[in-house]
Amino acid sequence: DSGVTQTPKHLITATGQRVTLRCSPRSGDLSVYWYQQSLDQGLQFLIQYYNGEERAKGNILERFSAQQFPDLHSELNLSSLELGDSALYFCASSPSGGADEQFFGPGTRLTVL
Amino acid sequence: QKEVEQDPGPLSVPEGAIVSLNCTYSNSAFQYFMWYRQYSRKGPELLMYTYSSGNKEDGRFTAQVDKSSKYISLFIRDSQPSDSATYLCAMGEFNSNYQLIWGAGTKLIIKP
Repeated sequence: DSGVTQTPKHLITATGQRVTLRCSPRSGDLSVYWYQQSLDQGLQFLIQYYNGEERAKGNILERFSAQQFPDLHSELNLSSLELGDSALYFCASSPSGGADEQFFGPGTRLTVL
Repeated sequence: QKEVEQDPGPLSVPEGAIVSLNCTYSNSAFQYFMWYRQYSRKGPELLMYTYSSGNKEDGRFTAQVDKSSKYISLFIRDSQPSDSATYLCAMGEFNSNYQLIWGAGTKLIIKP
């Protein structure tokens, strides 16, 4: 158990809908990262927050947004969902925003029908 | 050309064999290197973290970095069926943007 929690574990929704994925980092970690992993694909970095501020952006679509709250938990919002958004979404946390190892949560499996 | 190249496999070896997993990269500024193990549909877990060149050993696992060749390796000794998983390499550089760059992962199958 990495100490990172993600909810929900599974999410099934329809095209055009909006969903919110939630992540709680390990105790004391200030950075949260969001990744997308499609079936049999590698990890695609979406976005990083450090202590409430956006630190880095990867291949995140404009339909997707995220935020990190004062208690350091983070939410990833996915809107106008398309079939191709079906994937595993992982959250990871690290102690700082630097060259730390990242600890991953169990993921949220999103299925868009 | 991708910044990090990793053979997706699958790599199938008999139990007890020594496994060698590799990644090549193009960015000479990368200075820290990680190996993660991911079981099917689970979150990746960190196996090894090495800085700059050299070897690091942890139990049955050895990570090796050759910066001159831009090549990193993970060796698994006495491989077990429980080692069957996808192994992802990740690396980064020390600057203001500490993004990890990830390999695509190699699927490893250990046959009993």
